[in-house]
Amino acid sequence: GAGVSQSPSNKVTEKGKDVELRCDPISGHTALYWYRQSLGQGLEFLIYFQGNSAPDKSGLPSDRFSAERTGGSVSTLTIQRTQQEDSAVYLCASSLRLAGGILANEQFFGPGTRLTVL
Amino acid sequence: GIQVEQSPPDLILQEGANSTLRCNFSDSVNNLQWFHQNPWGQLINLFYIPSGTKQNGRLSATTVATERYSLLYISSSQTTDSGVYFCAVWAGTALIFGKGTTLSVSS
Repeated sequence: GAGVSQSPSNKVTEKGKDVELRCDPISGHTALYWYRQSLGQGLEFLIYFQGNSAPDKSGLPSDRFSAERTGGSVSTLTIQRTQQEDSAVYLCASSLRLAGGILANEQFFGPGTRLTVL
Repeated sequence: GIQVEQSPPDLILQEGANSTLRCNFSDSVNNLQWFHQNPWGQLINLFYIPSGTKQNGRLSATTVATERYSLLYISSSQTTDSGVYFCAVWAGTALIFGKGTTLSVSS
C-alpha cells in the first residue's frame, strides 16, 4: 500500500505476557519512528531508526521495551512482561530523511495498534 | 527539551464558523507539522510548515519561526472537521507533540 501499515490493529493481552507490534513504513522511507499515545501522557516518542545507524532509544520507558528493524524496512516493537500501564495506542511513522541533512522531512503515521493489558 | 503548547484546549463551533488554533513552542525548530486526528485515531497530515504560510482548501496555516508560534485557520467549519488537532515540532530526533485542541462542530 501507499501508506504506513501496522498490525495488529487491536491487541488484548494479559498482564505479564509479551507482545509484538509490527510496522511497515512507506516504501523508500529511510527513517522510522515509534510513538505511544495514552490518556495521561499524550503522544510521546519511543524510538527512532535511520537507515543502518544505531537506533535512538532515548524515549523507551523501560528495558521491557525493545524494537528492531530488519533490512531497513519492517520494524517490530516488543514489550516484555506487559503491565497495565502499557495500555495505549502505539503509532508508527516514517519519513524520507535527507542523508547528512539537519532538516527532517514530513512524517506520515500509520493507523496504530491499540494495546489493552488486562 | 522543547515545550509545545496549544490553545485553546477545547473549541465548540457551529457549522459555518471560522476558528484559529494556536501553537507556541519554546525553541527554534526546523520542522513543524499540523495533524488532525479523526475519530478512529488516525493522524492525518494537514501541513508541513517550518515557516511561512500555506493553504489547502478551507484550511491554512502560518508559522512565524522567529516568534515561535504557528496558527491553523479553519474557515467555514463542517461537522467532519471535528476531532483533535495536534501541532508537533521536530526536536532533532523525533516530533514533540502538543496536547492538542479538541474541536467539536455541530450542525
